[in-house]
Amino acid sequence: GAGVSQTPSNKVTEKGKYVELRCDPISGHTALYWYRQSLGQGPEFLIYFQGTGAADDSGLPNDRFFAVRPEGSVSTLKIQRTERGDSAVYLCASSPSGVGGGTEAFFGQGTRLTVV
Amino acid sequence: AQSVTQLGSHVSVSEGALVLLRCNYSSSVPPYLFWYVQYPNQGLQLLLKYTSAATLVKGINGFEAEFKKSETSFHLTKPSAHMSDAAEYFCAVSASSNTGKLIFGQGTTLQVKP
Repeated sequence: GAGVSQTPSNKVTEKGKYVELRCDPISGHTALYWYRQSLGQGPEFLIYFQGTGAADDSGLPNDRFFAVRPEGSVSTLKIQRTERGDSAVYLCASSPSGVGGGTEAFFGQGTRLTVV
Repeated sequence: AQSVTQLGSHVSVSEGALVLLRCNYSSSVPPYLFWYVQYPNQGLQLLLKYTSAATLVKGINGFEAEFKKSETSFHLTKPSAHMSDAAEYFCAVSASSNTGKLIFGQGTTLQVKP
């Protein structure tokens, strides 16, 4: 596909469980971002990858959240010991380079996570 | 540090009327500014962006925005609303020296009445 793909589109999990959310960026895009969008709010930055490395993880709320991008393409956001407050839409975006602040980011449709 | 404030969480206009969505920003460095649109059950789509070239920026679907440094504003306008413009709109800022990380406002839901 031509766009950013996120799977699953919806995920319901029980409190305390572990979840993984997947992002397939646009082919060739070296920059990848994760954002979290709570109900009625704008997206909030979580983490930024340039290639395989996490260049900025300042938005991760705590150590239950972790993300990887081992081959510089697909990324997985991992949440341990989920809490009800983690319920949100998790958005992934990619851009051709990510260097400089004027780069356009292309967003996926998001994964809606519900913790019950 | 950067921040964005969108004035008005909901805006309602009649079809054919002017659309005005307000955005004010705070930035310690010259900003790059963006407007994104989010249709129901879809991802965010870029409408337009300001990157220190022309202060009046034209985007897709007839939208435009004007960067006003003195007012720290980047309001989005469209002369004539269409029903298809009903969506949620987000203003965002990115510092010129960083890596493309976006700071978003809380969003404005645009309702278009027939």
